[in-house]
Amino acid sequence: EVQLVESGGGLIQPGGSLRLSCAASGFTVSSNYMSWVRQAPGKGLEWVSFIYSGGSTYYADSVKGRFTISRDSSKNTLYLQMNSLRAEDTAVYYCARDSTTVGAIGYWGQGTLVTVSS
Amino acid sequence: QLVLTQSPSASASLGASVKLTCTLSSGHSTYAIAWHQQQPEKGPRYLMNLNSDGSQNKGDGIPDRFSGSSSGAERYLTISSLQSEDEADYYCQTWGTGIRVFGGGTKLTVL
Repeated sequence: EVQLVESGGGLIQPGGSLRLSCAASGFTVSSNYMSWVRQAPGKGLEWVSFIYSGGSTYYADSVKGRFTISRDSSKNTLYLQMNSLRAEDTAVYYCARDSTTVGAIGYWGQGTLVTVSS
Repeated sequence: QLVLTQSPSASASLGASVKLTCTLSSGHSTYAIAWHQQQPEKGPRYLMNLNSDGSQNKGDGIPDRFSGSSSGAERYLTISSLQSEDEADYYCQTWGTGIRVFGGGTKLTVL
């Protein structure tokens, strides 16, 4: 069974840094296309970043240059390093994995809340 | 620019059917999409992916009451025999090279 468990969220001051983790089970992270998606309070889903199985990474313009997606094969874990955080980064962050149809997100984690506030 | 457009809200009666629409931007009418459901205070759940020819693959455990169809740049999600637990936000999602895109979501109210 595919499971995705996020951790690392919390309250952080503007300008600060935070690293989110997504522990995966039931499949191999490095063999799949993995994404981070966020949802600001009361708003819709917003794609943040994804990493191809081959290692290529992509980012939404809103986070480019500030966020970095990575993975650790030995821990079967996906990460999102978030730097220079802003109030508008406040959201629940979801880890996700593509389905057998590449591009279609097929599995979601439960999410972790990041609050950027002084 | 790859954009998905959804109506903000929809409503239908318990036991009835409802058809939600997701529209692909100009020049992207052949793109496949995925539908996701988000019940109140929960994370999203994958329902299905839907191709331009109407062929679809549902996620594990998704009831037959959920079905998809396509016409031109429109992608539809039909929910039949509406139940109270179908009251949720529904998002369409598509993809291109180096990008994932979500529609704004449709809030479905079951009357």
